[in-house]
Order: sequence, then C-alpha cells, then structure tokens
Amino acid sequence: DADVTQTPRNRITKTGKRIMLECSQTKGHDRMYWYRQDPGLGLRLIYYSFDVKDINKGEISDGYSVSRQAQAKFSLSLESAIPNQTALYFCATSFGTEAFFGQGTRLTVV
Amino acid sequence: QKEVEQDPGPLSVPEGAIVSLNCTYSNSAFQYFMWYRQYSRKGPELLMYTYSSGNKEDGRFTAQVDKSSKYISLFIRDSQPSDSATYLCAAQTGNQFYFGTGTSLTVIP
Repeated sequence: DADVTQTPRNRITKTGKRIMLECSQTKGHDRMYWYRQDPGLGLRLIYYSFDVKDINKGEISDGYSVSRQAQAKFSLSLESAIPNQTALYFCATSFGTEAFFGQGTRLTVV
Repeated sequence: QKEVEQDPGPLSVPEGAIVSLNCTYSNSAFQYFMWYRQYSRKGPELLMYTYSSGNKEDGRFTAQVDKSSKYISLFIRDSQPSDSATYLCAAQTGNQFYFGTGTSLTVIP
C-alpha cells in the first residue's frame, strides 16, 4: 500500500458543485500539504498543516478549504468548483527535508 | 517572481549523454536544496538533496549548489531511457518547500 493515498484518482465534476479530495498517510508525519500542479506553473501550495490544530493558507488558497480530521487525514474541498480549478492535485507529507507525495488526483471541472 | 525558477525544457538527449538541469532561486534563507523526479501519472519522488553549498554524488547523479550565485544544478551521467521524466528542483526553509516548474527530460535509446 502507498504511504500517501489520495482518493479519488480521477474526477470530473460540473461547475458550481462541491467536491472533496481526500488524503490519508501511514508515515506518521505531522506535516501535511495540498498542492496543485499545472503545466508551466509547477507545484503551487494551497494549504498546509503542521498538526491537527494547525491549518495555514498557502500561495493559492482562494476557492479552497481544508480539514485535518486526524494526524493521518487531510482533506481538500472545493466549495463551488470552477473550470480554472481543473488541475492535478497532490497531497504530501514531510519529515525533515523530504516530502512524500501521493499519486495525485486529476480533477476536471466542466 | 517565483522563489525558484527552472527552465521547463523540454530536453531530449541520446542515451549515454550527460544531462545538465539547472535552477535559480531568490531567497538567501534557503538552506536545503532538493531534486525530485516525477514520472508520468505519478507523484514526485525525492532523488537527492544537498545542504547549503557544495556537491553531492549518488551513482550517476550529482547535485550541485552555488549559494553565491543562487544556482542549483543536477547532472546525470550516462543517461538511460529510464531517466525520462520531469525533474523538479526545490528549496526549503523552515517547513516550507518551494518548487521549480520542472524540466521534462526524454532520453532516446
């Protein structure tokens, strides 16, 4: 089993719909992150959390929210999806200098 | 201006060539510098990291950091088709990672 698991792997949703992307990890790390990856823009940080009670906005948090349900679980929500949120989303954990990424969720908003 | 800038390529080389991938950064506070490799439809995976200035070698891969010029490099010797991937440079300060946009590399057999 993967150390960082994201669900779903692929999702197509309609504009205006609420959608949740889930992430769970078995690494035992406190630090968790959500990134989106777009061609030519690379990985951009959406939100990060250093423990269950700590949530921080990243570079591009507008239109997104997160919930840290437990040390191992960190979910990302799009309250009202719009087409420019179409992207590849990655959850990651970190310990020291290494970040561990999930397999990604490819989200398409139509 | 992004904290870490990287030429997106794409870069295409014949098998056995030496590959040079480069990034620049702007924040003098960065202490750790990393290279991640990302295969198609996969998440990035750490390839290697260096602390401050200097070189680090791991098999066919050499990472180099020059803090005076804020330059990060990755050299791949005897490149193989299995090295075909996107390579992302990254820098870290505190608990934050800053990634370059990635360079797509194709090694042609």
